[in-house]
Amino acid sequence: AQKVTQAQTEISVVEKEDVTLDCVYETRDTTYYLFWYKQPPSGELVFLIRRNSFDEQNEISGRYSWNFQKSTSSFNFTITASQVVDSAVYFCALSEANFGNEKLTFGTGTRLTIIP
Amino acid sequence: DTGVSQDPRHKITKRGQNVTFRCDPISEHNRLYWYRQTLGQGPEFLTYFQNEAQLEKSRLLSDRFSAERPKGSFSTLEIQRTEQGDSAMYLCASSPTRLAGYNEQFFGPGTRLTVL
Repeated sequence: AQKVTQAQTEISVVEKEDVTLDCVYETRDTTYYLFWYKQPPSGELVFLIRRNSFDEQNEISGRYSWNFQKSTSSFNFTITASQVVDSAVYFCALSEANFGNEKLTFGTGTRLTIIP
Repeated sequence: DTGVSQDPRHKITKRGQNVTFRCDPISEHNRLYWYRQTLGQGPEFLTYFQNEAQLEKSRLLSDRFSAERPKGSFSTLEIQRTEQGDSAMYLCASSPTRLAGYNEQFFGPGTRLTVL
């Protein structure tokens, strides 16, 4: 069975600080996808990034960066120079790749609060 | 806007009543998913449709829950004899089917159910 663990329940940082959200996953599949979603107070899930299990190259997109390490089954997310608008709940998710039901297994989320 | 839509956005009901939610996926997306998100948790998979066929149901989907997608377009999720434990956000997502690669799920805004 697949599982995603986000050990950090809540994080608060002062604006402009960097912050890293941790994600550890478990799966028996060799082919899978990892995701990060943002859920602002409005409730809608906003897709941020997807990585497949064969691509361990780290990625940077503006102030966001992701560190994927298969050796430790981790997919961490860093926000550089945080802003108040980054305040939200962030979810890490996993999908085992199969041609059919690509259901997502989510972690319990990390509530990030950026203090102005 | 051609995103996933859900109706109603909010529903308050009394314990024991039946409720029905509707999801309109993105046009031509043949895959449709329902998830449930309780307070402080990540979304959990409930059920999956490929066109009109319901191909997988989570054990979270008790006998009081039923989902349909009669013509392979919109879907409904009905909860009979609601219980207070059914209070949650019900999220719908749709995705296309491509021959290779992951099929991105696009989420709707959700229906927030409160059972009094």
